[in-house]
Amino acid sequence: ETGVTQTPRHLVMGMTNKKSLKCEQHLGHNAMYWYKQSAKKPLELMFVYNFKEQTENNSVPSRFSPECPNSSHLFLHLHTLQPEDSALYLCASSQVGVRVLNEQFFGPGTRLTVL
Amino acid sequence: SQQGEEDPQALSIQEGENATMNCSYKTSINNLQWYRQNSGRGLVHLILIRSNEREKHSGRLRVTLDTSKKSSSLLITASRAADTASYFCATEGGSGGSNYKLTFGKGTLLTVNP
Repeated sequence: ETGVTQTPRHLVMGMTNKKSLKCEQHLGHNAMYWYKQSAKKPLELMFVYNFKEQTENNSVPSRFSPECPNSSHLFLHLHTLQPEDSALYLCASSQVGVRVLNEQFFGPGTRLTVL
Repeated sequence: SQQGEEDPQALSIQEGENATMNCSYKTSINNLQWYRQNSGRGLVHLILIRSNEREKHSGRLRVTLDTSKKSSSLLITASRAADTASYFCATEGGSGGSNYKLTFGKGTLLTVNP
């Protein structure tokens, strides 16, 4: 138990569906992240939120839409996905700032399958 | 662009043996971290070494960092079957780079046979 929870753990959706992934951290951290993990590829950073402000968007397609309503919650809204978007989506959090070491705490992930 | 790259991609050893994994990176860093991932699960932070450190220990883990060669190694001593997992190195950017963005390698899959 890392203090970061993700729901759902598994999700199967069609290409025309709209769904959302949820992440919650109970660690009092000020930064949250979405990563995509595909088979045989390095972990890809998708979005970074620092104090609820999006500070990083790594050229992610607009069919992925993040939302960070407060420093403890992070959502990833999905619509009109493609089969190649099937992957493990991982949420992480950390405390960032001057003289703070950025050790990231990960949730268990959501295994997404797009049919 | 990919920063850390682990070597080997896969490693199979017997219980009780030591396991060594290597990581190379390309640009200057603030720190380097090692994470572990059990199959299909989230990553767990193992150890962090700062750019001005050369060696660090945590239990059965020993990490070295050679900034002149831009490389790090993770040694797991007296391995156990429960150590079976994928191990990833991650680097946090150095001068001019973000102080909170981690770049991960592809990982080393370690299998410890009982």
